[in-house]
Amino acid sequence: DTEVTQTPKHLVMGMTNKKSLKCEQHMGHRAMYWYKQKAKKPPELMFVYSYEKLSINESVPSRFSPECPNSSLLNLHLHALQPEDSALYLCASSQDERLAVEQYFGPGTRLTVT
Amino acid sequence: QQPVQSPQAVILREGEDAVINCSSSKALYSVHWYRQKHGEAPVFLMILLKGGEQMRHEKISASFNEKKQQSSLYLTASQLSYSGTYFCGTDYDQTGANNLFFGTGTRLTVIP
Repeated sequence: DTEVTQTPKHLVMGMTNKKSLKCEQHMGHRAMYWYKQKAKKPPELMFVYSYEKLSINESVPSRFSPECPNSSLLNLHLHALQPEDSALYLCASSQDERLAVEQYFGPGTRLTVT
Repeated sequence: QQPVQSPQAVILREGEDAVINCSSSKALYSVHWYRQKHGEAPVFLMILLKGGEQMRHEKISASFNEKKQQSSLYLTASQLSYSGTYFCGTDYDQTGANNLFFGTGTRLTVIP
């Protein structure tokens, strides 16, 4: 099983809502990532979890709050988002956080903030 | 730290070849290549390591020139299925972690 799954596929939320994105993998990977991708742009790294601990936070605003409840699951909690946060949110995983290790991407959640 | 890709876009007829370049201003540890079709997740193609050999994925190959801090992706005898946006992802020794910086992207369209 080389699949990373993400739910929901699409999400529309108002600026005062609280919602969560979910990511799951069953490949035994110990590193998991959140990326944000705007239309026609490359993915931009947001967070990295290594062995369920947050290891990288790329200066992401606090309205995005990641959580890694166990080695298979990664959540992204959203609160008080802005319209400019509308984007495709991609989750990825890799065997571990070493350099030069392949990352497997999920299909993404397309988020629209109204 | 974002690597620069060229060209930005290319249109090919089936069977033609293309080269996509990825250049960095910083010393690279490795270069990853991904293809992303519209509305889908990026799909891993290959990784090239500093000092490593040229890699191949089907009829797609890539090289890594350490001196120039550049990687090139070679698409040979292109097929319709090659269409998509190609991204290079680079990581650097300094970060000590698999923190990929994706390039600007190259949109490849293969027409019959």
